[in-house]
Amino acid sequence: AQTVTQSQPEMSVQEAETVTLSCTYDTSESDYYLFWYKQPPSRQMILVIRQEAYKQQNATENRFSVNFQKAAKSFSLKISDSQLGDAAMYFCALLADSNYQLIWGAGTKLIIKP
Amino acid sequence: DAGVIQSPRHEVTEMGQEVTLRCKPISGHDYLFWYRQTMMRGLELLIYFNNNVPIDDSGMPEDRFSAKMPNASFSTLKIQPSEPRDSAVYFCASSLAAGVGQETQYFGPGTRLLVL
Repeated sequence: AQTVTQSQPEMSVQEAETVTLSCTYDTSESDYYLFWYKQPPSRQMILVIRQEAYKQQNATENRFSVNFQKAAKSFSLKISDSQLGDAAMYFCALLADSNYQLIWGAGTKLIIKP
Repeated sequence: DAGVIQSPRHEVTEMGQEVTLRCKPISGHDYLFWYRQTMMRGLELLIYFNNNVPIDDSGMPEDRFSAKMPNASFSTLKIQPSEPRDSAVYFCASSLAAGVGQETQYFGPGTRLLVL
């Protein structure tokens, strides 16, 4: 069975500082993809960043970057220069190449302190 | 591109009524997914389609739920009769069939359903 675990129900960070959200996963698949989605209070589910498992280089999208440790099955999200608009629930998700079902973590609520 | 479009954005109905949720996927996307999100159960995949054909409906909670995709640009999720425990946010998502980025699902804004 495939699983995704987000062990931090809630995190808070001061505006302009850096925060890291944790995610671990388990899969027996060799080809898979990992995602971070953001869900602000509007409830819209927004793709933040994605990582292909076969790529060793960590994905980066502006202020968002990941630390992908394949052997440890860890996929953390780093948000630099946190902004008030970053406040949201963040979900980590796994997609195995053999099917199209996203496996979701429970989410981490990120609070930005002004 | 307009992204995935869902309607209505909010729906309030009474128990026993029929509810129809609508989705228009991103043009060119061949996969369409219906999810339900609740506080208790998080995000659940209900059903997904490939080229308008239902591939896996094992997540559909019971016979009261049905989904159709009559063409590549439109899908519906119907609940009949609705019950208070169906109250949730329902998301539609779509993805490409193949190629770079095929694995990424793009979500619509969701429909917030409240059954009284």
